[in-house]
Amino acid sequence: QKEVEQDPGPLSVPEGAIVSLNCTYSNSAFQYFMWYRQYSRKGPELLMYTYSSGNKEDGRFTAQVDKSSKYISLFIRDSQPSDSATYLCAMNDSWGKFQFGAGTQVVVTP
Amino acid sequence: NAGVTQTPKFQVLKTGQSMTLQCAQDMNHEYMSWYRQDPGMGLRLIHYSVGAGITDQGEVPNGYNVSRSTTEDFPLRLLSAAPSQTSVYFCASSYSLPTSGSRRTDTQYFGPGTRLTVL
Repeated sequence: QKEVEQDPGPLSVPEGAIVSLNCTYSNSAFQYFMWYRQYSRKGPELLMYTYSSGNKEDGRFTAQVDKSSKYISLFIRDSQPSDSATYLCAMNDSWGKFQFGAGTQVVVTP
Repeated sequence: NAGVTQTPKFQVLKTGQSMTLQCAQDMNHEYMSWYRQDPGMGLRLIHYSVGAGITDQGEVPNGYNVSRSTTEDFPLRLLSAAPSQTSVYFCASSYSLPTSGSRRTDTQYFGPGTRLTVL
């Protein structure tokens, strides 16, 4: 069983809708949680970085972490066609063990 | 800054051939790593380095070798290519081993990738 589970999608939403993405994990040692965005045929780029449980906002993006449920989420408000990409969750522990989710493909239609 | 660069962008090998994927960064990052990305599997860590002369294995190291003689370069060698190594390979770097809890030092910057096909 994978330590990090993420629905691969694709997730298709109309422009302006809220995109909701999530990952579950099984390793309670994970402390740092990230969301990366990857456009087709490009390398991933970091979107959000969180350390503790709770919410973190950055513009149209909100990351949520619930350590008690081992569940993290990313919300994209007012989605745009330029948000169409694959979103990968990632997490690591204090010893450097790093795990990525499989990625969710998001398509925002005009 | 060029960031993280990878060469080649595309490569086709025959089974049993060897080759080296090049990775370089100009950000003076100590931590560098190699990942492979396969459909439905996400990014999986092959090898990583926390500084010149120091390397260690990741999740899927078999069939790959690395060395780190300088801070800037971190080449990945395929010893005897197999069809199972067909994948997209990404090199990444960050200021330090991504465990500090600081976005500035933990952020991994990825290269554009190398698409490898082994026939």
